[in-house]
Amino acid sequence: DGGITQSPKYLFRKEGQNVTLSCEQNLNHDAMYWYRQDPGQGLRLIYYSQIVNDFQKGDIAEGYSVSREKKESFPLTVTSAQKNPTAFYLCASSQGGQYGYTFGSGTRLTVV
Amino acid sequence: GENVEQHPSTLSVQEGDSAVIKCTYSDSASNYFPWYKQELGKRPQLIIDIRSNVGEKKDQRIAVTLNKTAKHFSLHITETQPEDSAVYFCAASSEGNTPLVFGKGTRLSVIA
Repeated sequence: DGGITQSPKYLFRKEGQNVTLSCEQNLNHDAMYWYRQDPGQGLRLIYYSQIVNDFQKGDIAEGYSVSREKKESFPLTVTSAQKNPTAFYLCASSQGGQYGYTFGSGTRLTVV
Repeated sequence: GENVEQHPSTLSVQEGDSAVIKCTYSDSASNYFPWYKQELGKRPQLIIDIRSNVGEKKDQRIAVTLNKTAKHFSLHITETQPEDSAVYFCAASSEGNTPLVFGKGTRLSVIA
């Protein structure tokens, strides 16, 4: 999977439920990112982390939370406060801002 | 913050013709400009990138040009083939570890 693994591939969430998306990388990259992809909207930044135990909000962080307890892992929780969570979620990692990203294969989240 | 505009949103070309996708950016401090290709249902993959100390970069049938004065950069694909059909995203970032800001994408269709 190119060194970065997202799971699950498909996820269904009931109203009012929190769900967590997994992202693991073995590329020894310091920086990790979460993007949301909606049709015609491109990739919008949710959260990013440049180092373990530190992370920053992106453009659309409301209703989401993250943690970065290990260099390899950057899970994203979609909380019940996120009113329109149905989307394709992409995790990425890089050596830093001036290097290309390696993306995971994505998680498609659907509210049922 | 940075804003990246991408045009056109859809592009159809005949096999063998050239395709050009253009992006403009707003932050004059941006100095790294990658391009990603995303095939249907798959992850985005880096196809070429350029840094602000060069004006043009080529890799086989793909080239990217950068005009820092006008704040725009373009992707050129020559001798297009059906397997070039995909969504292409441009992106920009400035120095340090600032995350990439993506354009909204261009859906390229190569007609055989």
